Amino acid sequence: DTEVTQTPKHLVMGMTNKKSLKCEQHMGHRAMYWYKQKAKKPPELMFVYSYEKLSINESVPSRFSPECPNSSLLNLHLHALQPEDSALYLCASSQDPWTDGGNQPQHFGDGTRLSIL
Amino acid sequence: SQQGEEDPQALSIQEGENATMNCSYKTSINNLQWYRQNSGRGLVHLILIRSNEREKHSGRLRVTLDTSKKSSSLLITASRAADTASYFCATPWGNYGQNFVFGPGTRLSVLP
Repeated sequence: DTEVTQTPKHLVMGMTNKKSLKCEQHMGHRAMYWYKQKAKKPPELMFVYSYEKLSINESVPSRFSPECPNSSLLNLHLHALQPEDSALYLCASSQDPWTDGGNQPQHFGDGTRLSIL
Repeated sequence: SQQGEEDPQALSIQEGENATMNCSYKTSINNLQWYRQNSGRGLVHLILIRSNEREKHSGRLRVTLDTSKKSSSLLITASRAADTASYFCATPWGNYGQNFVFGPGTRLSVLP
C-alpha cells in the first residue's frame, strides 16, 4: 500500500469531457508533484507545488490545470484533452523541499491510467 | 539536460544471479536516487546517495556513485522473481533540488 492515494485508478473520457484527477497524502509533506508517464518511458514532470503554491510548470498545455486546495490535496483538472494525452498520471510528494539541500526522496501514488477516446 | 541515462535498457537474468544497472548524468548533483516501478504501479524509492558518498547499501542493494565520471550503479544481489521491474535513476535539479529528472530506465526480468 502506498501513502499517496490517487483516484480514480482508471479514467476513460472523450475529448470534450471535463474530469479531475485527485491525489491525497497525510505525511505532512509540503511539496507535491504531477508527472505524466507514457508506456516504457520515464515519468515526466508536469507541475510542482511547494507550500500550496505552484512553483514549477513545465510548459504543460493549458488543457491541464492543477490545483492545490490544501497541503494534503492535489487536483489535476482536465478539459478538451487529445488522444496523445493518454498516459499514466502519477502524483508524488516530498518533505519540505527548502531544507536539506533537496536531499529528499519522493513518495509516489499508483497513478491514474487515463485513456482519451 | 540534467537527465540521467541508464544502461542497459533491458536485462534478463536467472533467479539467484546479480543484476547491475548503470546511470550517467551530465551536471553536478547534490544526490542521486534510484526508484523501482512494478508494472502498472507507482515508483518506489529505493535508495538515495549523496554527492559526498561513494557507496551505500540497503539489504540486497548496493549503490555506488562516482562524481568524477558522473555515473552511478545499482547492484541487486541474489535476485528474485519479485525483483522484476523497471529501475530508474533520478537526479534533482532546481534551486532547492525540488525537481526530478528520471533516466530512461532499465527493465529487469528475473526468470525463475
